[in-house]
Amino acid sequence: SQQGEEDPQALSIQEGENATMNCSYKTSINNLQWYRQNSGRGLVHLILIRSNEREKHSGRLRVTLDTSKKSSSLLITASRAADTASYFCATDARDYKLSFGAGTTVTVRA
Amino acid sequence: GAVVSQHPSRVICKSGTSVKIECRSLDFQATTMFWYRQFPKQSLMLMATSNEGSKATYEQGVEKDKFLINHASLTLSTLTVTSAHPEDSSFYICSAPWREGRNEQFFGPGTRLTVL
Repeated sequence: SQQGEEDPQALSIQEGENATMNCSYKTSINNLQWYRQNSGRGLVHLILIRSNEREKHSGRLRVTLDTSKKSSSLLITASRAADTASYFCATDARDYKLSFGAGTTVTVRA
Repeated sequence: GAVVSQHPSRVICKSGTSVKIECRSLDFQATTMFWYRQFPKQSLMLMATSNEGSKATYEQGVEKDKFLINHASLTLSTLTVTSAHPEDSSFYICSAPWREGRNEQFFGPGTRLTVL
């Protein structure tokens, strides 16, 4: 079942700006993952943060996790036109089953 | 990185027919694969877990007789939408964990099913 809620639903920014999106979830988790989906395509894994981690970086991506608030954020710094996509958080409670958030559609304007 | 393929990428069929979608792990073995469906501008909903050599397990509300899953080998899972109807039109995506102990999953490119 879908347990993540993301906000904003949509985000439009200028190239070079930062994009921040948030994800909240309801139940306890083993880890939380962020994925990107280009229109009509499959998902690409971006970053995984474990329940005992608070922050993680990967290139221009920064993810935070607050298990007390059951929330996570994804920050994309210095955005590029190629970052235009939908971004989903997914929680993994057990057995590799992922429960996805509603997604944030990011549009980066050149 | 690991690659998961799906075939076909698009299929259009008439109402009442059955459609088979294949999901293959190309460079790794997957004892478990997952099938999701995604409606336009919506999130992915887990349909079922495909288990190599045993029956699939379905999420609540998913009809097992409607969506037949066969995981015949360590690299292939198939989803058959039986007696398809227009409301089955959706984007179907499979995924597989790369290996035991690794939590990130690799997703196929998806199959767009349109039932007329």
